[in-house]
Amino acid sequence: DQQVKQNSPSLSVQEGRISILNCDYTNSMFDYFLWYKKYPAEGPTFLISISSIKDKNEDGRFTVFLNKSAKHLSLHIVPSQPGDSAVYFCAASPNTGNQFYFGTGTSLTVIP
Amino acid sequence: KAGVTQTPRYLIKTRGQQVTLSCSPISGHRSVSWYQQTPGQGLQFLFEYFSETQRNKGNFPGRFSGRQFSNSRSEMNVSTLELGDSALYLCASSLLTGEKGQYFGPGTRLTVT
Repeated sequence: DQQVKQNSPSLSVQEGRISILNCDYTNSMFDYFLWYKKYPAEGPTFLISISSIKDKNEDGRFTVFLNKSAKHLSLHIVPSQPGDSAVYFCAASPNTGNQFYFGTGTSLTVIP
Repeated sequence: KAGVTQTPRYLIKTRGQQVTLSCSPISGHRSVSWYQQTPGQGLQFLFEYFSETQRNKGNFPGRFSGRQFSNSRSEMNVSTLELGDSALYLCASSLLTGEKGQYFGPGTRLTVT
């Protein structure tokens, strides 16, 4: 059973515009959320995270929003750049342990 | 500092065989987690080792096993391979168990024919 879902397998955005990647989860015990970025032939790299005590976390061009009541988080990239083209995974973790539940990924293409 | 390394990078095996994958974490990291990535399922957690002890285990059959050595290097073993085991196997390391940030290796691409 997929506890973390990314319903959009792919997304195309023009350079300079905003990219919005979405993620939904079902387990109310999740209290920490992360976004990873993955290029082909490389492992995922950590991008940004958010704890359930916050509803927004910003790091440069990347902002993650968390809506706990809707069990939904999103990653905003502004402005989008061609180098952002990659597969983005969201992941969630309960408050104990190092076990993460990943979504299936969204492939972002930023068109120059 | 060197990143997480995984060997081999590519592997082709036949159904019924067994395979061992290796992961060397970042120097000083003591937690190693393993994930299976398939197109339809994304990354699925296999298990985590910390200080040579399995701390967490995902929902995989007993054919999947692992171990961690005193130098924190970890191996994952899959016995009696099935076609459905074809996947990218990723390992990730972190300094301590429970740490929220993990560093991933490039993965081992296993193909079972």
